[in-house]
Amino acid sequence: AQSVTQPDIHITVSEGASLELRCNYSYGATPYLFWYVQSPGQGLQLLLKYFSGDTLVQGIKGFEAEFKRSQSSFNLRKPSVHWSDAAEYFCAVASGNTPLVFGKGTRLSVIA
Amino acid sequence: DGGITQSPKYLFRKEGQNVTLSCEQNLNHDAMYWYRQDPGQGLRLIYYSQIVNDFQKGDIAEGYSVSREKKESFPLTVTSAQKNPTAFYLCASSSAVGTEAFFGQGTRLTVV
Repeated sequence: AQSVTQPDIHITVSEGASLELRCNYSYGATPYLFWYVQSPGQGLQLLLKYFSGDTLVQGIKGFEAEFKRSQSSFNLRKPSVHWSDAAEYFCAVASGNTPLVFGKGTRLSVIA
Repeated sequence: DGGITQSPKYLFRKEGQNVTLSCEQNLNHDAMYWYRQDPGQGLRLIYYSQIVNDFQKGDIAEGYSVSREKKESFPLTVTSAQKNPTAFYLCASSSAVGTEAFFGQGTRLTVV
């Protein structure tokens, strides 16, 4: 069965600093990978996705993620964090015909 | 505007009562999903539907029921058999199972 691990429950970064959120997945074949963001009390918004091809994918709001098959990872990065990036971030994995399986999320706090 | 509409945003019910959460989409998506979100637990799949008149149990289907009579609609009923129904419920849809999912704004159900 597919599974997703987000090792960091909560991360605090300073505004303007770089950010990396970790995601490891368990899946036998090449997975479909996603990163979503959620503001408190809201639904989830897709940041970026990886299906195939270039392993470095660009998303909205200046985020990018890199698929590393050898490490079963799909880490999310941003070179310079803004206060508005404070939210909860979810990594998800799917195959071609199974629903998305989500990690437990990483809460990002941004300090001045 | 295309999107997913969940209603109501907040719902209060007495213990022992069944309650139905509404989810409507106008994205012409075939697949629809219900997830439950609890603090620190990420999103857990309750039910999903690939096409009209078909649905499959997810990881935590006990105490819930769904129907898919129309492509646009996928209501979720939380029955009195659900032992801990207080949670945030998220509906989503996608063009096909396993592709990027689009989420509604959620319904927060409180059972007292």
